[in-house]
Amino acid sequence: KAGVTQTPRYLIKTRGQQVTLSCSPISGHRSVSWYQQTPGQGLQFLFEYFSETQRNKGNFPGRFSGRQFSNSRSEMNVSTLELGDSALYLCASSLRREYEQYFGPGTRLTVT
Amino acid sequence: AQTVTQSQPEMSVQEAETVTLSCTYDTSESDYYLFWYKQPPSRQMILVIRQEAYKQQNATENRFSVNFQKAAKSFSLKISDSQLGDAAMYFCASGGNEKLTFGTGTRLTIIP
Repeated sequence: KAGVTQTPRYLIKTRGQQVTLSCSPISGHRSVSWYQQTPGQGLQFLFEYFSETQRNKGNFPGRFSGRQFSNSRSEMNVSTLELGDSALYLCASSLRREYEQYFGPGTRLTVT
Repeated sequence: AQTVTQSQPEMSVQEAETVTLSCTYDTSESDYYLFWYKQPPSRQMILVIRQEAYKQQNATENRFSVNFQKAAKSFSLKISDSQLGDAAMYFCASGGNEKLTFGTGTRLTIIP
C-alpha cells in the first residue's frame, strides 16, 4: 500500500503570497490531519478532516484553511504569508481518529 | 483539553544498552490512546508503538516497550539493545475524540 504523499516537497514563497499544499492519504483512510512543525514551537495541530468535513481546528489564524475532497485527498492553504509561516507542514492520515496516524514526508515551506 | 509533557529534551545511550524516555500527559477524556512516534533526522515521522488507555497490559513491539501508569498519567518508552538506527527525535502523543496532541520531543543520540 502506498504511503501518505505530500506535494510539493519544498517551496519558497515571499511574504504576502499565498500557498496551497496537497496531501494524498493512504488508500482507505478517511481522516486527514495537518500539523505545523517548527524548531521553536514543535508540532502544532492545524486541522483535521474526515469525510470532507472539518472536525477539529487548532489555534491558528484564519489565514490557514483547508479542505478535503471526496477521494479523501486534502489541501491546505495559507494566505498572506508571513516570515513566521516558514515551517515543515506535515500531513497524516488514519482510518479513524482514534487509530494511529501515518505521516507523509512533509512540505518544507520557506517564506522570504 | 490534552497536554503532553516530555521533560527530557535530549538523551544519549551507548549502543546495545537500554534507555527509557519519559512522558506524562493530562486528558479529560475517559477513552484515549497514547502513541510514541520517531522522527529520524530529515526523515519521515513513523509510529513506534501504540497503547489503548483501557488496556492494562503494556504494549510491546520488538525492542520497544512502554510502561503505562494510568493513575499517574505516565507513558514511558523503553528501548532495549539500542541500535545506531534508533537515533531520532521521539515524540509522545495522546489522542482520543479530540485532536492528537504531541509533546515537545526527546532527541535520542546513540553512542557507538
